[in-house]
Amino acid sequence: KQEVTQIPAALSVPEGENLVLNCSFTDSAIYNLQWFRQDPGKGLTSLLLIQSSQREQTSGRLNASLDKSSGRSTLYIAASQPGDSATYLCAVVKYSGAGSYQLTFGKGTKLSVIP
Amino acid sequence: DTGVSQNPRHKITKRGQNVTFRCDPISEHNRLYWYRQTLGQGPEFLTYFQNEAQLEKSRLLSDRFSAERPKGSFSTLEIQRTEQGDSAMYLCASSGPGADHQETQYFGPGTRLLVL
Repeated sequence: KQEVTQIPAALSVPEGENLVLNCSFTDSAIYNLQWFRQDPGKGLTSLLLIQSSQREQTSGRLNASLDKSSGRSTLYIAASQPGDSATYLCAVVKYSGAGSYQLTFGKGTKLSVIP
Repeated sequence: DTGVSQNPRHKITKRGQNVTFRCDPISEHNRLYWYRQTLGQGPEFLTYFQNEAQLEKSRLLSDRFSAERPKGSFSTLEIQRTEQGDSAMYLCASSGPGADHQETQYFGPGTRLLVL
């Protein structure tokens, strides 16, 4: 059974700092890996998707890397802003064979960026 | 395209009552997923539809839960004889043609259920 772990569970940083969120998974047979953002009481917003054959993806101030063989991914946020405060969730995707791309999530890292 | 919508956004019910939630996916998406998220946890997969066919169900989906997607459009999730342990956020996601990657799931805002 796939297990996804995110470290740290919570992180508080001053505005402007660069930071790294970590994600590890136990089964390397994944289709892809996605990072999501969740604001309190809200749904999930997709940030980045990395295919299993890729090493990294970038979007603006966000950069996600994937090392499938070691079961690790990192999300790098540059020049953090108070608006980045949210919970960041890592999810690995496995194709189930029934047409389903099933997501297995970690518990998330709650980020607070202090002005 | 207004994204995935879910109704109601909040539901408070008494133990033993039945509740039904609705999800309207992005119109051209043929895949629809339901997830459940409890406090401090990541979402957990419940069930998957491709068009109108329910192709996958998690062991989390007990006999009290039933989901439908008539005509391959909107979907409903019904919980019968609710229990306090059913209190959670129920999230719907859709994916399919037209997305950057057909497997990218777009999530709705969720329905928060509280069972008293």
